Amino acid sequence: GESVGLHLPTLSVQEGDNSIINCAYSNSASDYFIWYKQESGKGPQFIIDIRSNMDKRQGQRVTVLLNKTVKHLSLQIAATQPGDSAVYFCAEIKTDSWGKLQFGAGTQVVVTP
Amino acid sequence: GAVVSQHPSRVICKSGTSVKIECRSLDFQATTMFWYRQFPKQSLMLMATSNEGSKATYEQGVEKDKFLINHASLTLSTLTVTSAHPEDSSFYICSATEQGWSAFFGQGTRLTVV
Repeated sequence: GESVGLHLPTLSVQEGDNSIINCAYSNSASDYFIWYKQESGKGPQFIIDIRSNMDKRQGQRVTVLLNKTVKHLSLQIAATQPGDSAVYFCAEIKTDSWGKLQFGAGTQVVVTP
Repeated sequence: GAVVSQHPSRVICKSGTSVKIECRSLDFQATTMFWYRQFPKQSLMLMATSNEGSKATYEQGVEKDKFLINHASLTLSTLTVTSAHPEDSSFYICSATEQGWSAFFGQGTRLTVV
């Protein structure tokens, strides 16, 4: 099944703190996962990805953790900045779906000074 | 990363008219493009999968005669909203993939039907 959100949960974070955004994915056959950032009125922007044979991947200020046992994905943002305020979506892909993404519900991150 | 350009970014049209939205992959050849619709405060809903040189595959509940998709080349897909009505007002987003992995998104098109 697909996980589609009707209302976005909100995560309020103080500037400088670390953010943790969680996502539960639905398809145990998915083997590739991507985190996207979407600012208001814009298309999603690629942040970081991870393949199912990994459980952690780090980028610049971001870390993605994958727990296949419980089908859980998380995005950690270090030293959150005002520019990080956006909606964050996780997405999953199956190898044979040729790039067809299934999006999670999304989380609105609000960074407060 | 790869660049996907979507045009127009905003369009206002009268009820009953048709609107065409273009999606271009600027620096890679996209064998597959996807069209999404997004309502305020909600996630992206896949409308259809567009493959170059073949008919689009529509998701359940999406009217193919309403949302015409053409993928005439490896760098261009178009979505035409025919006989638009106010309920078609939404944010439409395309994405393109080169090798079936990371999908890159266009900037989105805000359609308002009055």
